[in-house]
Amino acid sequence: NAGVTQTPKFQVLKTGQSMTLQCAQDMNHNSMYWYRQDPGMGLRLIYYSASEGTTDKGEVPNGYNVSRLNKREFSLRLESAAPSQTSVYFCASSEAYRSTDTQYFGPGTRLTVL
Amino acid sequence: GEDVEQSLFLSVREGDSSVINCTYTDSSSTYLYWYKQEPGAGLQLLTYIFSNMDMKQDQRLTVLLNKKDKHLSLRIADTQTGDSAIYFCAESTTSGTYKYIFGTGTRLKVLA
Repeated sequence: NAGVTQTPKFQVLKTGQSMTLQCAQDMNHNSMYWYRQDPGMGLRLIYYSASEGTTDKGEVPNGYNVSRLNKREFSLRLESAAPSQTSVYFCASSEAYRSTDTQYFGPGTRLTVL
Repeated sequence: GEDVEQSLFLSVREGDSSVINCTYTDSSSTYLYWYKQEPGAGLQLLTYIFSNMDMKQDQRLTVLLNKKDKHLSLRIADTQTGDSAIYFCAESTTSGTYKYIFGTGTRLKVLA
């Protein structure tokens, strides 16, 4: 089992460019999440998908869109990148959307917006 | 609102014990977690404790929970250089709606 995988590992964008971050999990989990990690701020939730076919905003959704493509895959799209979106992005998954379920994380995508 | 706080840095000598502390504000937490993040890597789940427990031991790791003071700690016995990393505490909470709240992370440096 690979667990949670993310592509790409690194990306540099110019302001205004768009890109999609990919995430896949092979644990048959129902719920998936996108976080961003900024220095001194821990992880903040961008969007989540409690189950296939649903997506909801998290704490910091502005400037992002998501697609739950199927049970395995959950992508994050930046339509018009801004320097404030320079961050490390983590995808996570859990068996279900409930407080008793542990979240498992991917290795992250390091994004720089110039 | 809900908040999880950690000190930013901790430095210990190899072979000593490390204690990483965390305080949280939401009393409706279900589980409390410790994750480890090595340089350039994702978050690896180390251990977790159910909110109605006081202590959990797992090999070199001991988690202590003081629910009255909303204080969580992670003790690493016989700390090794490979333990150098950032450690995040997190709580899953059902206050209002289910949330997973992370602390800011504690950077542990182990000196040889």
